Amino acid sequence: DQQVKQNSPSLSVQEGRISILNCDYTNSMFDYFLWYKKYPAEGPTFLISISSIKDKNEDGRFTVFLNKSAKHLSLHIVPSQPGDSAVYFCAASGLGGATNKLIFGTGTLLAVQP
Amino acid sequence: EPEVTQTPSHQVTQMGQEVILRCVPISNHLYFYWYRQILGQKVEFLVSFYNNEISEKSEIFDDQFSVERPDGSNFTLKIRSTKLEDSAMYFCASRSTGTPNTEAFFGQGTRLTVV
Repeated sequence: DQQVKQNSPSLSVQEGRISILNCDYTNSMFDYFLWYKKYPAEGPTFLISISSIKDKNEDGRFTVFLNKSAKHLSLHIVPSQPGDSAVYFCAASGLGGATNKLIFGTGTLLAVQP
Repeated sequence: EPEVTQTPSHQVTQMGQEVILRCVPISNHLYFYWYRQILGQKVEFLVSFYNNEISEKSEIFDDQFSVERPDGSNFTLKIRSTKLEDSAMYFCASRSTGTPNTEAFFGQGTRLTVV
């Protein structure tokens, strides 16, 4: 039961270009979406998030877009830098319960080529 | 910057043995979680803990698993009788509140290898 899906296991882009990472979800009850970045041998680190009542959130080089009707979100990184090379996880939250666990996608490995 | 710390970084254990994975969450956080990632798969929720009790657990978190906050700073995950399929990276996380928009901070993980 994959409620959050990242269909591209990997993505390679040139330094300075735009990276677009995609995520789809199936449960319309999610009300918050997050992107986490993970380097090897480290835990996931929070990158950016968006509430379901918004369609865009921007933080520096990172922008997340949400299309609720399509149950789709994307993370744009502009311009991409070699240090952005990592696994990016899409996560969703808000299914209720006291602690609002995160439901993660399978991740996309981004490689930014110098 | 405050961080979540986990020990050990790597644990190798014989099948059937008990293991305890340790975590020190961020000191003023109230909500604690364990997640795991089997190699090549997604990060999966195991259990959440608040106010000294389990708030929610997944179907993975069966009777072989338990969590404890023994002394107000540590948060432990115990697996009573490990199986080969328990081999994974185990991540501890903590949050200051349980609302969806509150960032979860993750530790660097413990790689558990069951042989």
